[in-house]
Amino acid sequence: NAGVTQTPKFRVLKTGQSMTLLCAQDMNHEYMYWYRQDPGMGLRLIHYSVGEGTTAKGEVPDGYNVSRLKKQNFLLGLESAAPSQTSVYFCASTVAGWNEQYFGPGTRLTVT
Amino acid sequence: SQKIEQNSEALNIQEGKTATLTCNYTNYSPAYLQWYRQDPGRGPVFLLLIRENEKEKRKERLKVTFDTTLKQSLFHITASQPADSATYLCALDEVDSSASKIIFGSGTRLSIRP
Repeated sequence: NAGVTQTPKFRVLKTGQSMTLLCAQDMNHEYMYWYRQDPGMGLRLIHYSVGEGTTAKGEVPDGYNVSRLKKQNFLLGLESAAPSQTSVYFCASTVAGWNEQYFGPGTRLTVT
Repeated sequence: SQKIEQNSEALNIQEGKTATLTCNYTNYSPAYLQWYRQDPGRGPVFLLLIRENEKEKRKERLKVTFDTTLKQSLFHITASQPADSATYLCALDEVDSSASKIIFGSGTRLSIRP
């Protein structure tokens, strides 16, 4: 099993450009999450999904959109990138409830 | 809203000693509390989960305690080794009627010197 994978690993965007980050998991987990991690801030929840076709806002959703068209995939979109979105983005999944979360390797995004 | 405080940004100890990391929370007591390890450039990795009705949990050289009166969890690594050097994150469940979410502390960076 690959676990949780994320693409791309690195990306540099110019202000105003758009992009989509892809998260895939092969563990048949219902719950998936997108976090961002900034120095000294810890992990902050952007959006999450409790099942295929459902999404919800987390702590810092502004400027991001998500979709969960297939159970195994969770996409994070930036419609118009801003320098404040420079961060490391992590995807995670869990079977259900407050179980342990499995994290992907992260995507390092720089917006200039 | 719930806030998590991890004792210090960095902790530096001698190999072989016991490392003790602290996680304090401010409001309601969570039903679950989790600890994760994160190495530079990698995603967090789950270590241990402790429930509110459990006082202590052990896994090999790791021990976690949970004191709902003090609103605190302690994470111990006994016989520490340089390979234990990493950032350790505390996380606890956030009450939400629609889904289960957890919130993370900002972490403690542990360095074990030979």
